[in-house]
Amino acid sequence: KAGVTQTPRYLIKTRGQQVTLSCSPISGHRSVSWYQQTPGQGLQFLFEYFSETQRNKGNFPGRFSGRQFSNSRSEMNVSTLELGDSALYLCASSSTTGQGGGYTFGSGTRLTVV
Amino acid sequence: AQRVTQPEKLLSVFKGAPVELKCNYSYSGSPELFWYVQYSRQRLQLLLRHISRESIKGFTADLNKGETSFHLKKPFAQEEDSAMYYCALSGYNQGGKLIFGQGTELSVKP
Repeated sequence: KAGVTQTPRYLIKTRGQQVTLSCSPISGHRSVSWYQQTPGQGLQFLFEYFSETQRNKGNFPGRFSGRQFSNSRSEMNVSTLELGDSALYLCASSSTTGQGGGYTFGSGTRLTVV
Repeated sequence: AQRVTQPEKLLSVFKGAPVELKCNYSYSGSPELFWYVQYSRQRLQLLLRHISRESIKGFTADLNKGETSFHLKKPFAQEEDSAMYYCALSGYNQGGKLIFGQGTELSVKP
């Protein structure tokens, strides 16, 4: 079956713009988590959605937001982009929530802010 | 505070040598511990979890609650083991929120 699909793969944006990233989970998976990966901070949890409800939120400013649709697809939005938002954004999905080891990761979207 | 520490950024060993990737954690409660691996140009994937107590690709990891450690071990390293290894934890019923260590790059030389 198809894995976790993230689009686009690469993105270049200008400071101050906003961006929307998309994640299609594995069919049947209802939980989607988002992570930011940078060389300096490593992998940091952004938020988790389960059945269209945000279940957990990491320590990121309000410029970072997300949502999940009824088909479990998820989007994350970053408004007023800053240079420090340049990172690889990873999405992971699972059939259930509460099971950390059950998450399958996508290849990520590499965002560059110039 | 919840934290995962991997003290080594890079670990270089020769093929056939034993490997131990260190992981220490800080968590008030009973976390779930995991090792994730990322091979070159591949996605991050689960290697093993402490609750299953299994051996995957020859790797094992034992949760030591007294020392708050979850070190990853393999008796004989292979070149194909070269990858980035991340230790991670999640809290009770917080499985969708993984806290990762900074990662250790394992390089196995021929």
